[in-house]
Amino acid sequence: LAKTTQPISMDSYEGQEVNITCSHNNIATNDYITWYQQFPSQGPRFIIQGYKTKVTNEVASLFIPADRKSSTLSLPRVSLSDTAVYYCLVGDVYGGATNKLIFGTGTLLAVQP
Amino acid sequence: NAGVTQTPKFQVLKTGQSMTLQCAQDMNHNSMYWYRQDPGMGLRLIYYSASEGTTDKGEVPNGYNVSRLNKREFSLRLESAAPSQTSVYFCASSEAPQHSYEQYFGPGTRLTVT
Repeated sequence: LAKTTQPISMDSYEGQEVNITCSHNNIATNDYITWYQQFPSQGPRFIIQGYKTKVTNEVASLFIPADRKSSTLSLPRVSLSDTAVYYCLVGDVYGGATNKLIFGTGTLLAVQP
Repeated sequence: NAGVTQTPKFQVLKTGQSMTLQCAQDMNHNSMYWYRQDPGMGLRLIYYSASEGTTDKGEVPNGYNVSRLNKREFSLRLESAAPSQTSVYFCASSEAPQHSYEQYFGPGTRLTVT
């Protein structure tokens, strides 16, 4: 399983764009990159997933360079309600019973007014 | 749809007591998972069930047992609780065990062992 490295914490202000970068140097060919968000006292929630280049949904964008050794989660115009922990995960899309999600400690994003 | 539900929400146990955490999902998912989250830490996988009738160990299975009762329900049992098992426990489910399938999480059970 590829290990991921993220910043422990980040600060931002309302209305700014926030980019959280995740390093996964040992990513394998079959691995996808997924980001989850966790608010205090709640379970994690899926944000976005991608394999290469760029993926965008109504919440965020995910940028993956050609070598796939890192990825960047981009949150446009954050608000106070985006304060949460963000987890970057890497996993084998073809994995069966042996596939597991490894969450790590995540990045605590604190958005200030 | 309720999604993933967990009972109880809170529990206090004395060392050596046993208890079962219940989890149910109404999304007709094949795979279910149990995680624990200690303060300031990420989630760690305890056990998972890739499909009905199968269970397998995750990262931290010691001190726990699981039962996949049917497709909807996946329970986690602590036979003899220890203070080190004080944690928040999350149940999750997904359509399939592959990484590409989104996992849906329940609200968690906050367990304290004294």
